Amino acid sequence: IMVTQSPATLSLSPGERATLSCRASLTISSNLAWYQQKPGQAPRLLIYEASTRATGIPARFRGSGSGTEFTLTISSLQSEDFAVYFCQQYNTWPLTFGQGTKVEIK
Amino acid sequence: EVQLVESGGGLVQPGKSLRLSCAVSGFKFDDYAMHWVRQTPGKGLEWVAGVSWNSGNIGYAESVRGRFTISRDNAENSLYLEMNSLRDEDTALYYCAKDQSDTILWFDNWGQGTVVTVSS
Repeated sequence: IMVTQSPATLSLSPGERATLSCRASLTISSNLAWYQQKPGQAPRLLIYEASTRATGIPARFRGSGSGTEFTLTISSLQSEDFAVYFCQQYNTWPLTFGQGTKVEIK
Repeated sequence: EVQLVESGGGLVQPGKSLRLSCAVSGFKFDDYAMHWVRQTPGKGLEWVAGVSWNSGNIGYAESVRGRFTISRDNAENSLYLEMNSLRDEDTALYYCAKDQSDTILWFDNWGQGTVVTVSS
């Protein structure tokens, strides 16, 4: 299953809303996770089962969608949220990632 | 605190072998599936292999099937990746990652990675 993220880059200001998209090539129910990665760091789990926040993840991160279309919304960008975000499907082996969306400061 | 520490990376010639290890602590290792995930600037994140809690379920990416072998030693709290017939395209940062369940799903903790460079 191919996973495609858009846009590749999102240029926003602190306080703005970020909307990131992830599309699967086949239906994957709600079997999708989101990760955040900052430079020099390993990825960090944000969301699993499409909409469940991982432990310690702030409420401003919201995942939604099912089937083939998914969205990660960051309601009000904080300085620490500027990073690269990846989605990953686990409905079918092999597990696959999207290519990432970079959220950068405008 | 969950800790995953990878080791064994390095520079290796094409066609040669390398064995990666991941030592874990801070959780009950034999309750969870484990994975290897690699990352390159050009190809992003790629799941390499995963193994369920009791090694009853093992999966591989198509790009490494038949060349790489994932294994675990629950008594030693360790995960391994045996890499044979290495190719230039296997050059990457290799992460050890813990699953949130006992089967192969998603990754809730990651190590800092070990670099593998395949070059003559």
